[in-house]
Amino acid sequence: DTGVSQDPRHKITKRGQNVTFRCDPISEHNRLYWYRQTLGQGPEFLTYFQNEAQLEKSRLLSDRFSAERPKGSFSTLEIQRTEQGDSAMYLCASSPVLTGGSNEQFFGPGTRLTVL
Amino acid sequence: SQKIEQNSEALNIQEGKTATLTCNYTNYSPAYLQWYRQDPGRGPVFLLLIRENEKEKRKERLKVTFDTTLKQSLFHITASQPADSATYLCAPNTGGFKTIFGAGTRLFVKA
Repeated sequence: DTGVSQDPRHKITKRGQNVTFRCDPISEHNRLYWYRQTLGQGPEFLTYFQNEAQLEKSRLLSDRFSAERPKGSFSTLEIQRTEQGDSAMYLCASSPVLTGGSNEQFFGPGTRLTVL
Repeated sequence: SQKIEQNSEALNIQEGKTATLTCNYTNYSPAYLQWYRQDPGRGPVFLLLIRENEKEKRKERLKVTFDTTLKQSLFHITASQPADSATYLCAPNTGGFKTIFGAGTRLFVKA
């Protein structure tokens, strides 16, 4: 396993369409995160899973966004009825459970979404 | 609300000099703080973590300090190289697993 992978790397869609992104974390990591990043900003937290349980979700996240992690392995992020403001890089990260509570995260290459 | 501030302007330095980047935070007391590097079009890469009871941490040419009184972390790269050019993000721990990142500081190292 060489790291976190995301698919697709690029997605262009028309406003109003639904899109789904996939993230495959590092296999022994049971924590998984989704972030959104726009130009000139740091990654913005969207949601967090521990195994298959979604434990935290940003209050900024509209109801059009949903994420799943069936069986605690890969995860999907779906955006329904896309809007131009959804255009961004969507990053996935994973981390192991470590003693001491540190939260070093390993990021994937991201999926760049463009909504026309 | 919790806020993180990093130098918004890009930092330009000459190769061989020390780069110093600043991260200030307000309205919370993180148990630890992380620094990440991000290259254009790629995901961030973890560099260092420093805990609240540590004043300083080093890794090769990198040094991080953490002043909980000033609510500030400084990130130093000594003997900088053009390959160090990237955006550097700080992420003070929020107390849970939700990670809040600063906007990052863009560093350019000229040969």
